[in-house]
Amino acid sequence: DQQVKQNSPSLSVQEGRISILNCDYTNSMFDYFLWYKKYPAEGPTFLISISSIKDKNEDGRFTVFLNKSAKHLSLHIVPSQPGDSAVYFCAASAIDDKIIFGKGTRLHILP
Amino acid sequence: DAGVIQSPRHEVTEMGQEVTLRCKPISGHNSLFWYRQTMMRGLELLIYFNNNVPIDDSGMPEDRFSAKMPNASFSTLKIQPSEPRDSAVYFCASSFSPSSYSQQFFGPGTRLTVL
Repeated sequence: DQQVKQNSPSLSVQEGRISILNCDYTNSMFDYFLWYKKYPAEGPTFLISISSIKDKNEDGRFTVFLNKSAKHLSLHIVPSQPGDSAVYFCAASAIDDKIIFGKGTRLHILP
Repeated sequence: DAGVIQSPRHEVTEMGQEVTLRCKPISGHNSLFWYRQTMMRGLELLIYFNNNVPIDDSGMPEDRFSAKMPNASFSTLKIQPSEPRDSAVYFCASSFSPSSYSQQFFGPGTRLTVL
């Protein structure tokens, strides 16, 4: 039973446009959420996180939005660049508990 | 500064053989995690250690899998005997603490193929 769900296996976006990656979770005890980015033949790298006390966190071109009532979070990338083509993993954890990852969404930035 | 080091990067073996994956965490990190990535299940945590002690091995699929951390700078994940369904990419990650607030740094992974 997947506690963290990324329902879109892949997404294609034109360079310069906004990329929106979505993630849903089922465990109401989750209080910390993360996004990791993964290039081929490399390990995932941390991108951005958000605590449940916030509904938005921004870092440069990357913004994560959290909707606790809907148990939904999203990652916005504006503007999208070719180097953003990668697999993005959504992850979540409860207090002092392990991180649960989703299956990932492959983002393709089209020239 | 070296990141997490994993070896081998690729491993091809036959069903029934023993496979040992190795990991060297970042110096100074106290927590070490083993993950497995598959298309079907995504990235799943197998086991993690804190200060060389296994804390949570509930993700280990079955008794064929075992992991050790004999010292702060080395860990192994062993599969014996290996089966085709074990084919996946195995990642090792390390962090200062097991808390999710402590950023995990991943190694490049070992791609395992069991024929």
